[in-house]
Amino acid sequence: DIQLTQSPASVSSSVGDRVTISCRASQDVANWLAWYQQRPGRAPKLLIYTASTLQSGVPSRFSGGGSGTHFTLTISNLQPEDFATYYCQQCKTFPLTFGGGTKVEIK
Amino acid sequence: QVQLVQSGGEVKKNGASVKVSCKASGYTFSNYGLSWVRQAPGQGLEWMGWISANNGNKYYTAKFQGRVIMTTDTSTSTAYMELRSLRSDDTAIYYCARERKEADFDLWGQGALVTVSS
Repeated sequence: DIQLTQSPASVSSSVGDRVTISCRASQDVANWLAWYQQRPGRAPKLLIYTASTLQSGVPSRFSGGGSGTHFTLTISNLQPEDFATYYCQQCKTFPLTFGGGTKVEIK
Repeated sequence: QVQLVQSGGEVKKNGASVKVSCKASGYTFSNYGLSWVRQAPGQGLEWMGWISANNGNKYYTAKFQGRVIMTTDTSTSTAYMELRSLRSDDTAIYYCARERKEADFDLWGQGALVTVSS
């Protein structure tokens, strides 16, 4: 199975900050990686697919990058509604797997 | 509108079974696969498996093989996930999610809390 390791596990930031989350895969997944946002008590929401493609309706302050085994999710100009937990997911092969999550908290 | 609506929460005893439903609307059910993802309290997301709404092909992760059954009813655009021999560590929110050809999940149900107690 492909393991995904996210870092950091949590980050404290302020409104207006820029935050970058890392996701490392145990094997090459090319660009088959997605990112999700999960707010407390809500289902996850797709933000980015194929590593860098913004899902329809997602604000442009979210961006994804990377390929192979190292990926990043960057949130520019952090907004109050962005304080949530973020997960990466590899879409390369079954079994599909998720990273452990990164919680973005208010400083 | 395009949505997945799941059945309500359930409380079960150790050793029992639970069956969660997921009704799709607003899109052609057979054009997508459905995955089931669970989330234990305070924990991350865990993918359980997938079923094609087109031909019924399935994939279950090794962890759930032998304990989970995923089915679909195309006449009602509904997917089902049955988990047997429940244990306390099966207590979780169970989500259904529409899986696209990119193997990501663009549409999620609201989740169903399954609580297992002795």
